[in-house]
Amino acid sequence: SQQGEEDPQALSIQEGENATMNCSYKTSINNLQWYRQNSGRGLVHLILIRSNEREKHSGRLRVTLDTSKKSSSLLITASRAADTASYFCATGPSWGGGSYIPTFGRGTSLIVHP
Amino acid sequence: DGGITQSPKYLFRKEGQNVTLSCEQNLNHDAMYWYRQDPGQGLRLIYYSQIVNDFQKGDIAEGYSVSREKKESFPLTVTSAQKNPTAFYLCASTGQANTDTQYFGPGTRLTVL
Repeated sequence: SQQGEEDPQALSIQEGENATMNCSYKTSINNLQWYRQNSGRGLVHLILIRSNEREKHSGRLRVTLDTSKKSSSLLITASRAADTASYFCATGPSWGGGSYIPTFGRGTSLIVHP
Repeated sequence: DGGITQSPKYLFRKEGQNVTLSCEQNLNHDAMYWYRQDPGQGLRLIYYSQIVNDFQKGDIAEGYSVSREKKESFPLTVTSAQKNPTAFYLCASTGQANTDTQYFGPGTRLTVL
């Protein structure tokens, strides 16, 4: 079963607007990560937020985490056409033995119109 | 350049044939993973390996097999027992223990004719 679920499934905006997507999860986590996937490509790691952090920034990205609501949001400010991609959240504890087995949601498909 | 490579990018297979997808990494990572992605879906874990000569089944291992004879390589075989193999396959790796970021290859799109 999928731990993280992104919302909305699809988002269409104009260049320059902000894009916000959300991720909800079910069980306790050590961290939550956001990845980006361009069509037909592999995933690229964007940002990791740990369970003891509430907000994190990286360039035009802002991620928040609310462990009481078991949810996270990814905000992309001043979006560009090049931001068009699918965005996935991944959650998980670390398994015993040090191996990380994340659980991915179905993703939010973002289209930014020039 | 360090990274993960997957080959081929596109693969076509006739029903009843086994096919092997390649995944190689030069990141010196210990853990490697295989995921399957269907249209509009998230990633589903097929197999993972924490160390050479050891691997574990993921959520959808039936019809697939793997080997981990070298740290750098984690090939995936899609067998004829896999009933619906047409999908996008992604390989990933993770570095040291408790380093949770996954690095992904570019993927292989498998189509069964």
